[in-house]
Amino acid sequence: RKEVEQDPGPFNVPEGATVAFNCTYSNSASQSFFWYRQDCRKEPKLLMSVYSSGNEDGRFTAQLNRASQYISLLIRDSKLSDSATYLCVVMGGSASKIIFGSGTRLSIRP
Amino acid sequence: GAGVSQSPSNKVTEKGKDVELRCDPISGHTALYWYRQSLGQGLEFLIYFQGNSAPDKSGLPSDRFSAERTGGSVSTLTIQRTQQEDSAVYLCASSLTGGQPQHFGDGTRLSIL
Repeated sequence: RKEVEQDPGPFNVPEGATVAFNCTYSNSASQSFFWYRQDCRKEPKLLMSVYSSGNEDGRFTAQLNRASQYISLLIRDSKLSDSATYLCVVMGGSASKIIFGSGTRLSIRP
Repeated sequence: GAGVSQSPSNKVTEKGKDVELRCDPISGHTALYWYRQSLGQGLEFLIYFQGNSAPDKSGLPSDRFSAERTGGSVSTLTIQRTQQEDSAVYLCASSLTGGQPQHFGDGTRLSIL
């Protein structure tokens, strides 16, 4: 089993739809969680950190479920510009133990 | 600029040659990471520097790969006797300290002929 797993997609949804995807992790000692987005042939960019209590940034909501060991990302009112690959990042007990998921591809259609 | 700077942006070289990639992290960031990403694949961790501590080299794929970070700032990743499977985008990231969100450079696209 991979340490961090994501559904590779692609998720193909119409503009304005709500879409959500999860990322599961295997190390229960993991401490920090993030979502990054990566556009085609570009570097990953931090989208948001994921806090234990859940957090929201505009149309984006991130949640952490420690009991089931997954994090989620919800995008409301999706825009064409949301089309990208979304990477989850899990950091373990040591800062060097950083695992990137392989990403979920999202495509928003007009 | 204020971001992570990597050079060169692109590097094409012949198999067997040595290459050196450079990363200039955000000023004040003590943590520096190297990753590589093959086309359509996820990020592969290579090496992590934190301040003056010994680097975590656990991700380096072979002894042909080495990295240094001089003065706690600029880092160079060296690949000796390059092979075609070394072709990838090499990404550098820095963070204020370990465990904080990382900021990535634009990467170096390495092509081995």
